[in-house]
Amino acid sequence: SQTIHQWPATLVQPVGSPLSLECTVEGTSNPNLYWYRQAAGRGLQLLFYSVGIGQISSEVPQNLSASRPQDRQFILSSKKLLLSDSGFYLCAWAPGGNQPQHFGDGTRLSIL
Amino acid sequence: SQQGEEDPQALSIQEGENATMNCSYKTSINNLQWYRQNSGRGLVHLILIRSNEREKHSGRLRVTLDTSKKSSSLLITASRAADTASYFCATAAYGNNRLAFGKGNQVVVIP
Repeated sequence: SQTIHQWPATLVQPVGSPLSLECTVEGTSNPNLYWYRQAAGRGLQLLFYSVGIGQISSEVPQNLSASRPQDRQFILSSKKLLLSDSGFYLCAWAPGGNQPQHFGDGTRLSIL
Repeated sequence: SQQGEEDPQALSIQEGENATMNCSYKTSINNLQWYRQNSGRGLVHLILIRSNEREKHSGRLRVTLDTSKKSSSLLITASRAADTASYFCATAAYGNNRLAFGKGNQVVVIP
């Protein structure tokens, strides 16, 4: 069966520090991969998605970037974090664009 | 871009009652999906209804889709305390690799 791993579960970082969140999927090949951010009590904002290695689509211009160095690995990065980057970050995978998405347990990022 | 938008209401009900929530969207869709999110966790897919379907059931869940009104509803029958969560609808457009999620409805089931 397929599983998705996302880490760390919580992270506290100072303003201006770098960020790297990692997401890996097991048990499937060539998945679509997604990064979302969710503000407290709010809906999901799609940040990036990828349909293949090295293919990244950015949805919202911001202080973040994403990379897909391997088929089942998706990384969210920032060179310098802002206070506004705080939130709950969710990674998800899907077998295709219109298919149900399967989410990791998220990373709660707090910027101080 | 299209967007699923739930009626912005928090629902508080007694265990055993039914819970209904609605979702509207603006453009043509391939399918519409409902997800559940427990506090502090990732979303879990509940049910997918295609644009040519009008109703779908899964256990205690019933989803309807009215493409003429661009709306969907999720009914949870005989609710349980474990149904306490936020529920999101998401729309998928033809030829699109992403879903458009609504803002979510918080449901609290009181034991």
